[in-house]
Amino acid sequence: LAKTTQPISMDSYEGQEVNITCSHNNIATNDYITWYQQFPSQGPRFIIQGYKTKVTNEVASLFIPADRKSSTLSLPRVSLSDTAVYYCLVGGVSGGSYIPTFGRGTSLIVHP
Amino acid sequence: DAGVTQSPTHLIKTRGQHVTLRCSPISGHKSVSWYQQVLGQGPQFIFQYYEKEERGRGNFPDRFSARQFPNYSSELNVNALLLGDSALYLCASSWVTSGRDTQYFGPGTRLTVL
Repeated sequence: LAKTTQPISMDSYEGQEVNITCSHNNIATNDYITWYQQFPSQGPRFIIQGYKTKVTNEVASLFIPADRKSSTLSLPRVSLSDTAVYYCLVGGVSGGSYIPTFGRGTSLIVHP
Repeated sequence: DAGVTQSPTHLIKTRGQHVTLRCSPISGHKSVSWYQQVLGQGPQFIFQYYEKEERGRGNFPDRFSARQFPNYSSELNVNALLLGDSALYLCASSWVTSGRDTQYFGPGTRLTVL
């Protein structure tokens, strides 16, 4: 099963670009990389998903190098409302079953 | 369309009791997954069901069980509650069961065991 490692916390200021990197050294060939955002006492919310290279949507970009052993979530021009915990999720298959594994997440604090 | 719904929102139990948590997936989704999230940690996978069959199980004791109904809703049951079972229990639904399929999470049930 793929294990993910992220920085525990990050600080930024409004208007800046934030990049959060996730390490997943033993990612499997069929695994996708998904990022979620979570506010206190709420369920995680889907941000973006990718398999390789770069993916961009209206809220973020996801960069995945060729070896896929890491991925970087990029949040452009963060605001105070982006203060949350960000999780990298890599899907894993064990015994024919899909076992998703969340890391401990990165707590992002955006300052005025 | 309504999102994933969970009930109850909050629950207080005492050690040794039994609890049942409920989840209704997004309309059209056939897969439901359950996660336990202890304060300060990421969600830990408990079970995944697809078309009423168990498709995945995390590293949790047999006190934890689940099932999925013909309408794709699901129940998570925990027997002989321990203090350490206090957590936010999250339900997520998706179309199928694969790493590519996006999971949509409900608001969770906050379980407190005294």
